[in-house]
Amino acid sequence: ETGVTQTPRHLVMGMTNKKSLKCEQHLGHNAMYWYKQSAKKPLELMFVYNFKEQTENNSVPSRFSPECPNSSHLFLHLHTLQPEDSALYLCASSQGSPGEQYFGPGTRLTVT
Amino acid sequence: GENVEQHPSTLSVQEGDSAVIKCTYSDSASNYFPWYKQELGKGPQLIIDIRSNVGEKKDQRIAVTLNKTAKHFSLHITETQPEDSAVYFCAAGDRDDKIIFGKGTRLHILP
Repeated sequence: ETGVTQTPRHLVMGMTNKKSLKCEQHLGHNAMYWYKQSAKKPLELMFVYNFKEQTENNSVPSRFSPECPNSSHLFLHLHTLQPEDSALYLCASSQGSPGEQYFGPGTRLTVT
Repeated sequence: GENVEQHPSTLSVQEGDSAVIKCTYSDSASNYFPWYKQELGKGPQLIIDIRSNVGEKKDQRIAVTLNKTAKHFSLHITETQPEDSAVYFCAAGDRDDKIIFGKGTRLHILP
């Protein structure tokens, strides 16, 4: 266990659905991240939050909407997704800049 | 922005032999170079990292070397074991707390 939990672990949703991914870190870190991992592609950084403030938005489409209510929780709200959005979505946290990132197990998302 | 290239994409090594994975980066401002191991069904986990003021770092069977002039760094695993089979990612980080990952190397340890 890395101290970073993600729910759900698997999610299948239609293109018209709205769902949310949840991440929680129990490490007292001040930064949290969302990554997208697709087959044969590098890990793609989507969003970075430092002390609950969004410091990075890597040109992510607006159908992905992050929320960081406090430094321990991070959400990714999903709506009207496309089949190409199917991937493993990983959450990570870190302390320090730059520093070791601790990853959760990921949510395997399938968009039908 | 930073660009990280990683080779090879797949590597098969006989158990007990050494494995070497190489990465290059483009941004001379990068000063943090971690290596992650990802096993099936899990998120990546840090196995070793190096900062730009150090040329080499070793932790038991794992070592990393860094050449800042040439902008490349490598992971060396000696005396490989079956549990070393996984996907390995290199990454380069700058002062803005953003780490760019390579595409990964799938390492197979052959019995």
